[in-house]
Amino acid sequence: AQKITQTQPGMFVQEKEAVTLDCTYDTSDQSYGLFWYKQPSSGEMIFLIYQGSYDEQNATEGRYSLNFQKARKSANLVISASQLGDSAMYFCAGGDIDDKIIFGKGTRLHILP
Amino acid sequence: DAGVIQSPRHEVTEMGQEVTLRCKPISGHDYLFWYRQTMMRGLELLIYFNNNVPIDDSGMPEDRFSAKMPNASFSTLKIQPSEPRDSAVYFCASTRDYSYTEAFFGQGTRLTVV
Repeated sequence: AQKITQTQPGMFVQEKEAVTLDCTYDTSDQSYGLFWYKQPSSGEMIFLIYQGSYDEQNATEGRYSLNFQKARKSANLVISASQLGDSAMYFCAGGDIDDKIIFGKGTRLHILP
Repeated sequence: DAGVIQSPRHEVTEMGQEVTLRCKPISGHDYLFWYRQTMMRGLELLIYFNNNVPIDDSGMPEDRFSAKMPNASFSTLKIQPSEPRDSAVYFCASTRDYSYTEAFFGQGTRLTVV
């Protein structure tokens, strides 16, 4: 069965520094997608960024980018120039194409002023 | 599009009562997922549909849980009878086709069973 591993339960980072959150997807399939979501204290799940396994380029969306390592099936989220509003829970999710999307346990990110 | 819409946002019910959660996916999205989030177990996939057909319901905890998708714009998750351990936030999410380039969540329904 597929599995998403996020190794960092919590992180503290100084404001304006870059942050890297880890994510690895354990699957036997070669066609899959990896997602990142932000869940602030208000509870909603906010879609941040997506990486397909056959995408040539690493995905970027504003201050968010993915460091995709295909051989390791990992897609680490990089947040550049962190802001206080980035404090939240971050979930990595993955799904084999045409199959279910499963989630990791999340990383709680604290941005310090 | 208004995004994925879930109702109600909050539900408090007594043990033994039937609870129905509703979801309207984004128009044009072929896949619909129901998740449950608790502190202990994180985000669990309960069931997902493709073109209104249930594909994998292996995450549904018990026979007390059932889900339907009568058409492309509506799905329900029903718990009958409800129990206190069902208290959680239930999310619905949808994504278009198999390419999975986007998958958006509803606001969630916070269910409390007393």
